[in-house]
Amino acid sequence: QITLRESGPRLVRPTQTLTLTCSFSGFSLGTPGVGVGWIRQPPRRAPEWLALIYWDDDVRYTSSLKNRLTITKYTSRNQVVLKMTNMAPVDTATYFCVHTSTSTAGDIWGQGTLVSVSS
Amino acid sequence: DIRMTQSPSTLSASIGDRVTITCRASQNIDYWLAWYQQKPGRAPKLLIYKESYLQNGVPSRFGGSGSGTQFTLTISSLQADDFATYYCQQYSSFPFTFGQGTKLDIK
Repeated sequence: QITLRESGPRLVRPTQTLTLTCSFSGFSLGTPGVGVGWIRQPPRRAPEWLALIYWDDDVRYTSSLKNRLTITKYTSRNQVVLKMTNMAPVDTATYFCVHTSTSTAGDIWGQGTLVSVSS
Repeated sequence: DIRMTQSPSTLSASIGDRVTITCRASQNIDYWLAWYQQKPGRAPKLLIYKESYLQNGVPSRFGGSGSGTQFTLTISSLQADDFATYYCQQYSSFPFTFGQGTKLDIK
């Protein structure tokens, strides 16, 4: 059974760097075709993809946020870390990590973590 | 980025109704289209992937069709548990993008 869980701060001050950790079980990021991504969803809005890292270290970032994002995998620890710099109030959202495969892009989601950006 | 446009934005229906939600892509995405259901305070749940494949455990009243740029989610007979917000998502090219959502509520 695949599970993912996000962890990190619930409140971040403007200009700070957000660090989120996705801890997962039931699969390995060393398996061909597998990936872990980050998606955020502002209140009452549609989800938005942020970044994706594949089993072979291929990394994708959404272009509008590329300069602010870093995604890293720690295969042996079954974790993926997302860093987002220069946080602003508009970045307030629920942040989800998701499992991807060769057929799907988000078949299993974590429960999400709400991150608020406020001074 | 590929833009996904869903219609309608809101839909009122009754138990037992057949409902259809449409999603249009701004360019050809072949069959790389998924549908999700989301309830308040919960993560989206995958219903359909690769345009028409039913995710394990999803009831057969859900169905997906289409190709290229035009796609449809059909619920053949609405049940009480189906009232939620539905999103389409293309995963043909990154950034993968979602439609704006369709809120399905009780008439």
